[in-house]
Amino acid sequence: DTGVSQDPRHKITKRGQNVTFRCDPISEHNRLYWYRQTLGQGPEFLTYFQNEAQLEKSRLLSDRFSAERPKGSFSTLEIQRTEQGDSAMYLCASSPGGNTIYFGEGSWLTVV
Amino acid sequence: KQEVTQIPAALSVPEGENLVLNCSFTDSAIYNLQWFRQDPGKGLTSLLLIQSSQREQTSGRLNASLDKSSGRSTLYIAASQPGDSATYLCAVMDSNYQLIWGAGTKLIIKP
Repeated sequence: DTGVSQDPRHKITKRGQNVTFRCDPISEHNRLYWYRQTLGQGPEFLTYFQNEAQLEKSRLLSDRFSAERPKGSFSTLEIQRTEQGDSAMYLCASSPGGNTIYFGEGSWLTVV
Repeated sequence: KQEVTQIPAALSVPEGENLVLNCSFTDSAIYNLQWFRQDPGKGLTSLLLIQSSQREQTSGRLNASLDKSSGRSTLYIAASQPGDSATYLCAVMDSNYQLIWGAGTKLIIKP
């Protein structure tokens, strides 16, 4: 078990382009979370999945953001028509169910 | 609405000192409280988790306490080392299994 894996680790994109991040959680963890973190701030909740079901979405997750977890294993977070304000680190985490939560290394997004 | 505050925002101390980081939260209805460490440009590493029924947890030179009634937690680091330099974040897990985060304390240990 290698922990929560995120890809890519860094992404630089031009404003208006679409980007997709992937998260591979720890195997058999049924909960998967996405957070966004900007410099000097704590992470902000975006959304979470219980298996393949997306149970909650933050108001931060505008209609340009979409997350999927089609088979209850890996998840993708897509941002369409990126804006400079989307520049942040996108963190994925998984949990076996309500207790300790394990984070990946994050995916840095820079929108230029 | 749960709010988590960490004071101070930054702290710089000489190597070897014992230090305390503070975390306060506004709603005592929490599932647990966790302290995390984050190195620059890196993800989050869980240090200590205190269940709502517990008062403290210890791991090596780290000790975390929880006082739910007053909405406070402290992270005590004994005999600080330069390798302890990082940002320390606390987060409370509410009854919906959501983590509510503080903004972190940036700790610098001077050799």
